[in-house]
Amino acid sequence: DSGVTQTPKHLITATGQRVTLRCSPRSGDLSVYWYQQSLDQGLQFLIQYYNGEERAKGNILERFSAQQFPDLHSELNLSSLELGDSALYFCASSKQGSNTGELFFGEGSRLTVL
Amino acid sequence: QKEVEQDPGPLSVPEGAIVSLNCTYSNSAFQYFMWYRQYSRKGPELLMYTYSSGNKEDGRFTAQVDKSSKYISLFIRDSQPSDSATYLCAMSAWTGNQFYFGTGTSLTVIP
Repeated sequence: DSGVTQTPKHLITATGQRVTLRCSPRSGDLSVYWYQQSLDQGLQFLIQYYNGEERAKGNILERFSAQQFPDLHSELNLSSLELGDSALYFCASSKQGSNTGELFFGEGSRLTVL
Repeated sequence: QKEVEQDPGPLSVPEGAIVSLNCTYSNSAFQYFMWYRQYSRKGPELLMYTYSSGNKEDGRFTAQVDKSSKYISLFIRDSQPSDSATYLCAMSAWTGNQFYFGTGTSLTVIP
């Protein structure tokens, strides 16, 4: 158990809909990362937050948004969903300043868009 | 060109074999190199971490980094069926910065 909690584990929805994925980082970790994993693309970095502030942005679509709350949990909002958004979405956390570069991943949220 | 290239496999070896997994990269600024193991339907977990060039050994696992060739490797000795998983390489330029992942190599160790 990595200590990172993601909900829901599975989600099935229709095109055009909006979903929210939630992540609770490990206790004491200030950084939260969101990744999308699909079969042909591997792990794609979406966005990183550090202590409530956006730190880095990757290949995140404009239809997607995220935030990190004062209690450090984070939410990833996916809207106007398309079939191609079906993927595993992982949240990871790390202790900023650590020189191990270790990311602790949650179990992921599997999104299926029909 | 992708930042990180990794052969997706799949790779299938008999139990006890030595496994070699590799990644190449294009960004010379990368100095932190990691290998993650991902079991089916689970999140990736850190297996090995290396800073800059050199070798690092941990039990049956050895990570090698050759920055001059922009090439990293993970060797698994005496492979076990429990090693069957997808192995992802990852790298970053400095701690706290964006991590770049390879697409992963699927490994099956046959008993």
